[in-house]
Amino acid sequence: SAVISQKPSRDICQRGTSLTIQCQVDSQVTMMFWYRQQPGQSLTLIATANQGSEATYESGFVIDKFPISRPNLTFSTLTVSNMSPEDSSIYLCSAEEFGTEAFFGQGTRLTVV
Amino acid sequence: GQQVMQIPQYQHVQEGEDFTTYCNSSTTLSNIQWYKQRPGGHPVFLIQLVKSGEVKKQKRLTFQFGEAKKNSSLHITATQTTDVGTYFCASNFGNEKLTFGTGTRLTIIP
Repeated sequence: SAVISQKPSRDICQRGTSLTIQCQVDSQVTMMFWYRQQPGQSLTLIATANQGSEATYESGFVIDKFPISRPNLTFSTLTVSNMSPEDSSIYLCSAEEFGTEAFFGQGTRLTVV
Repeated sequence: GQQVMQIPQYQHVQEGEDFTTYCNSSTTLSNIQWYKQRPGGHPVFLIQLVKSGEVKKQKRLTFQFGEAKKNSSLHITATQTTDVGTYFCASNFGNEKLTFGTGTRLTIIP
C-alpha cells in the first residue's frame, strides 16, 4: 500500500493568483494522477503526471492553467494558475501501479474569492 | 468517450435495510474497481474485479462483475451508519488512467 501526504488541505485564494499543491508518496510509484472534484460530483481527471517528462492532459485542461511537475517517483505538484472563482473545487492526487488500486491524498479544498 | 454510469444517484435507506448500486458501461470493461468516499474524505479502494461473472464478498458487501463485463454491482446487506458515503465504480478501460463512475450517495436514516 501507499500513503500520500497532500498539502495544503485547504486554502482561500484571491483571484488572479496561483496555488501549488504538493503530493508526497511514502514509496516509489509508477503513476501519479491529478483529479478535480466538485462537491457532490464524481472525479474528473486533469492529467497524468509523468516522471521526467511533460504531463499528459485530458481534454479541457491545459498546461498553462495547470502546470504539473513530477521530478521523481514519489513526488508531484499541481499548480492552479491565474485563478478565478470557477477554479474553486477539491483537487486530489492519486498514485497507483497499473491495474492495481489507486491511493489518494486527502485532497485540497480550494476556494477562490 | 469511455463512460461509466451509475444508478441510482442517491439512495436513502433505513438502517438495517439493504442497498445496491449499479455500474454500467456501453463497452467491455477490462476491470472494475469500487471505491468509498466518506463525507469530507477521499476515495478509498474497496475491491477490484477482473473476471467475467466474478463475485467477491467483504463481510456485508457483495461485489459482482457481469458476464459480459459491461456492468457491475455493489450490494450492502443490513446497512449501518458507518456505510454512509458515496460509492464509485471505476475502470481502467485497458489503459493506465482510471475512469470513475458518476457515483451513488448513500445516506442512512437511523
